[in-house]
Amino acid sequence: QVQLVESGGGLVKPGGSLRLSCAASGFSLSDYYMSWIRQAPGKGPEWISYISRGGSTTYYADSVRGRFTISRDNAKNSLYLQMNSLRAEDTAVYYCARVPVSDYAVDYWGQGTLVTVSS
Amino acid sequence: SYELTQPPSVSVSPGQTASITCSGDKLGDEYPCWYQQKPGQSPVLVIYQGSKRPSGIPERFSGSNSGNTATLTISGTQAMDEADYYCQAWDSSTVRFGGGTKLTVL
Repeated sequence: QVQLVESGGGLVKPGGSLRLSCAASGFSLSDYYMSWIRQAPGKGPEWISYISRGGSTTYYADSVRGRFTISRDNAKNSLYLQMNSLRAEDTAVYYCARVPVSDYAVDYWGQGTLVTVSS
Repeated sequence: SYELTQPPSVSVSPGQTASITCSGDKLGDEYPCWYQQKPGQSPVLVIYQGSKRPSGIPERFSGSNSGNTATLTISGTQAMDEADYYCQAWDSSTVRFGGGTKLTVL
């Protein structure tokens, strides 16, 4: 069955960096667009980034553009999010998500990893 | 960019029909979808491409999209349907979620 397992979250000081990873299983990562979506405590989801199947196309929300970088390793069935210059407002649960591109929707979500930015 | 607007809350009696709307200037040209999220859980896709239902989603969930408004309809609402519901849509440059609607089954 499809599984997406995020890791790498934790407590980081403002201005610091973190790298999130998502291990995918039960399907071939190379067949799907993949995304990172975050949800701040008590708030709705925010789509922050996606990457095309081969990695040639990426999208970033204005809130993270220039600070975050999405990447993938299809051979390792893994998705990554490098987060730099972190701010308090980046505090959220970060979800790895699978996107069948023709559906324009997320059909599978990971369980999420919590990132807390605080001094 | 554009915003997707949802009512903050909707209440419904068990067995009745609940309707949740999502409005946006470009929504008629997009493929809106809907997610259900229960406390402490990841969202679950319940409707995609405006009106399609993923496998495993009960038939009481349906969607429509007309003009600039997408609507999620839950027929014969059950207590288990109490949750937050979010619409989401893509345009050429952004991917947006609505602010969410808390569905209460009274």
